[in-house]
Amino acid sequence: QKEVEQNSGPLSVPEGAIASLNCTYSDRGSQSFFWYRQYSGKSPELIMSIYSNGDKEDGRFTAQLNKASQYVSLLIRDSQPSDSATYLCAAPYSGAGSYQLTFGKGTKLSVIP
Amino acid sequence: GAVVSQHPSRVICKSGTSVKIECRSLDFQATTMFWYRQFPKQSLMLMATSNEGSKATYEQGVEKDKFLINHASLTLSTLTVTSAHPEDSSFYICSARDPGAPNEQYFGPGTRLTVT
Repeated sequence: QKEVEQNSGPLSVPEGAIASLNCTYSDRGSQSFFWYRQYSGKSPELIMSIYSNGDKEDGRFTAQLNKASQYVSLLIRDSQPSDSATYLCAAPYSGAGSYQLTFGKGTKLSVIP
Repeated sequence: GAVVSQHPSRVICKSGTSVKIECRSLDFQATTMFWYRQFPKQSLMLMATSNEGSKATYEQGVEKDKFLINHASLTLSTLTVTSAHPEDSSFYICSARDPGAPNEQYFGPGTRLTVT
């Protein structure tokens, strides 16, 4: 069973603070990881992908991957109210070339003005 | 790049009728598309994997005769909900795999189906 676990939250941070979102996964064979942002009533939007151990930065977002600990995180610097959304962590399901993704249940982030 | 569209965005239909939802990749050829369903305040649930030119692969518990999937071209997959019932009311979202980044999926905007 391939599992991706996230704290469901809600996670509340004040505007301007750093929001830290965490994710663990069960499949040691997973090689790539994705963070999606989903606003209420909308579909998910891919915001970050990470393939190697370490950090990957894109604007205010930093994804961190630690394969030894099977841990992925997303840091959002200078959080804005517009960052309030549910953040989904995902990893490929390594079944027969299907390219399916296994999604966590998501962490709801609220950025308080 | 990697834009996926869905049509319609909202549909209301009567119980017992069928509804077709279209999913298109606009700027890339998608050999694989996925169909998800999401109930309010719940997580995404994968319904099926749609491969161009072949039969869809359905997840356990999803009725293939009720949710008909056709992936007739590299840019279009359709989901038809047959004999819809109120319990089929949900948010249906498709995604497409970008062959240039094999594990990345890009989602369409979703279709909100209400069955009365």
